[in-house]
Amino acid sequence: DAKTTQPPSMDCAEGRAANLPCNHSTISGNEYVYWYRQIHSQGPQYIIHGLKNNETNEMASLIITEDRKSSTLILPHATLRDTAVYYCIVRVALNSGYALNFGKGTSLLVTP
Amino acid sequence: GAVVSQHPSWVICKSGTSVKIECRSLDFQATTMFWYRQFPKQSLMLMATSNEGSKATYEQGVEKDKFLINHASLTLSTLTVTSAHPEDSSFYICSAPPTSGSGSYNEQFFGPGTRLTVL
Repeated sequence: DAKTTQPPSMDCAEGRAANLPCNHSTISGNEYVYWYRQIHSQGPQYIIHGLKNNETNEMASLIITEDRKSSTLILPHATLRDTAVYYCIVRVALNSGYALNFGKGTSLLVTP
Repeated sequence: GAVVSQHPSWVICKSGTSVKIECRSLDFQATTMFWYRQFPKQSLMLMATSNEGSKATYEQGVEKDKFLINHASLTLSTLTVTSAHPEDSSFYICSAPPTSGSGSYNEQFFGPGTRLTVL
């Protein structure tokens, strides 16, 4: 799996957009970008994933650069409940049956 | 989406005792389940891969005789921490990869975790 680099921590004011960057310069053509988050003392939660096109769902948007070497997870209107550690993971499709390799992630603190 | 449960959610035990943690896929079958361990302020680390009907595969540095894994059915995997010691205190999380019947094949489904404290 390609290695990812994320800032260790970020702050965001409640109601504002949270933009979480991820660098994955060694990504291969068949590897997807996945985002998970982990709220304190809970199991990780899937957020979104993409291959090369930008993606949006009810939780977030994922912007992937044209060269696919970096991406940004956008939480459009952050709430206090979005405070969590966010993990960017690059790997082949999940139905290949392999475990996820979690890096250190970004600890996002949403403040009132 | 599909649901993975863990039991117990937390456990406190004395040093030297064994603790069993259950991981169940509630509405799908899982021929493979993964066990992770997470120490405070650290990321999740894969411990082992549990395979239904065959032996588990352990990551380097994880003692297979200490962390016994049994994948008894397509919906249940158990992790037994034998002769637990304080350094085994951690947050244990299981997950199951998607199956064709899950409806969300690009997610991986995680349990809520089990907090183990060994005194």
